[in-house]
Amino acid sequence: AQSVTQLDSQVPVFEEAPVELRCNYSSSVSVYLFWYVQYPNQGLQLLLKYLSGSTLVKGINGFEAEFNKSQTSFHLRKPSVHISDTAEYFCAVSDPDFNKFYFGSGTKLNVKP
Amino acid sequence: DTEVTQTPKHLVMGMTNKKSLKCEQHMGHRAMYWYKQKAKKPPELMFVYSYEKLSINESVPSRFSPECPNSSLLNLHLHALQPEDSALYLCASSQGVIGGGYTFGSGTRLTVV
Repeated sequence: AQSVTQLDSQVPVFEEAPVELRCNYSSSVSVYLFWYVQYPNQGLQLLLKYLSGSTLVKGINGFEAEFNKSQTSFHLRKPSVHISDTAEYFCAVSDPDFNKFYFGSGTKLNVKP
Repeated sequence: DTEVTQTPKHLVMGMTNKKSLKCEQHMGHRAMYWYKQKAKKPPELMFVYSYEKLSINESVPSRFSPECPNSSLLNLHLHALQPEDSALYLCASSQGVIGGGYTFGSGTRLTVV
């Protein structure tokens, strides 16, 4: 079975600073990796996904993530955050057999002015 | 249409009530899902429908009863719920192929009194 670990439950950062949200996964098979964002009282919105190919994936709202197979990581980055990026971010891995998602516990990004 | 629409957005129900949550998508997705999300937690999978057939039931109590009338609609019938069932209920859909991402609805905020 797959599992996803998001090491930081909260990440405070000042506006216009860079940010990295960490995600590690465990799996013995090929996986597909995703980052979702959830704004307060909203559903989840797909930021980006890695299926294959280039290990650097670009998503919406200026976010990008790098797949590192040797370190089993898929960290999310943004070079300059805005107040509007304040939200909960979930990393997820897809089970290739059953199309089930396994979510990490989430990281609350708090952007301060 | 690239959305998953959930109704109602908010629902308050008593423990003896019967209510239903509705989910609709017109993207031609063949897999649909119900997730439950408690505050400050990741979504937890409840049910998966694939090609209108229930393929996964994550040991959900029988007071939750899913229904998939056609490929565009997914319902969740609720009966005799408990206060601890209060949560955000999220519907999602996917193409049902390996590596496909999910599209989430904005959820129904359920409060059981």
